[in-house]
Amino acid sequence: EPEVTQTPSHQVTQMGQEVILRCVPISNHLYFYWYRQILGQKVEFLVSFYNNEISEKSEIFDDQFSVERPDGSNFTLKIRSTKLEDSAMYFCASSLRQAIDSPLHFGNGTRLTVT
Amino acid sequence: AQSVSQHNHHVILSEAASLELGCNYSYGGTVNLFWYVQYPGQHLQLLLKYFSGDPLVKGIKGFEAEFIKSKFSFNLRKPSVQWSDTAEYFCAVNGRSQGNLIFGKGTKLSVKP
Repeated sequence: EPEVTQTPSHQVTQMGQEVILRCVPISNHLYFYWYRQILGQKVEFLVSFYNNEISEKSEIFDDQFSVERPDGSNFTLKIRSTKLEDSAMYFCASSLRQAIDSPLHFGNGTRLTVT
Repeated sequence: AQSVSQHNHHVILSEAASLELGCNYSYGGTVNLFWYVQYPGQHLQLLLKYFSGDPLVKGIKGFEAEFIKSKFSFNLRKPSVQWSDTAEYFCAVNGRSQGNLIFGKGTKLSVKP
């Protein structure tokens, strides 16, 4: 069964540094998402992406965050200047159609630790 | 505000016991409802979903959930759990006009052999 893959599985960075989290969605999927889960808290929506542009974003997704689909396969989340509170597990997901119509397929997540 | 509440943080059961995990949502409109499961070290996987029709939904691995609109609930059930069901279970909802999912905090299930 095709899977969403995320790299790296664990990223440690210093406060103020830029990080890029990478995701390869399922190849025929058209909608892409980033979610995050701070330890002990809910899985929270960050952003959805369709047709090479952001379709929805949450309040968490401020100017420090950006997403990109640089080629036909990768979908990246960039945090420009990391803060301690950005430490979380970041999940990428993709779906064939909009999430209202088809389920999301999630990657294994990248654990980001900001020190 | 839209929200999903899962009442139990950690549930510990013995094998063959019956399971019911609570989920209540707050959403001002027609909803789709989901249960996702995350086995240790693995990604979130869809367990079952409700879009419309029969409010009793059957999913994989013997799980089922019942949508009770009047109670804004979508509880997950399994008549007889196995050790391999040890995982974290997340209830989620999205509205028909929205693309993103709103998750509950998750319930960790530990099944003792």
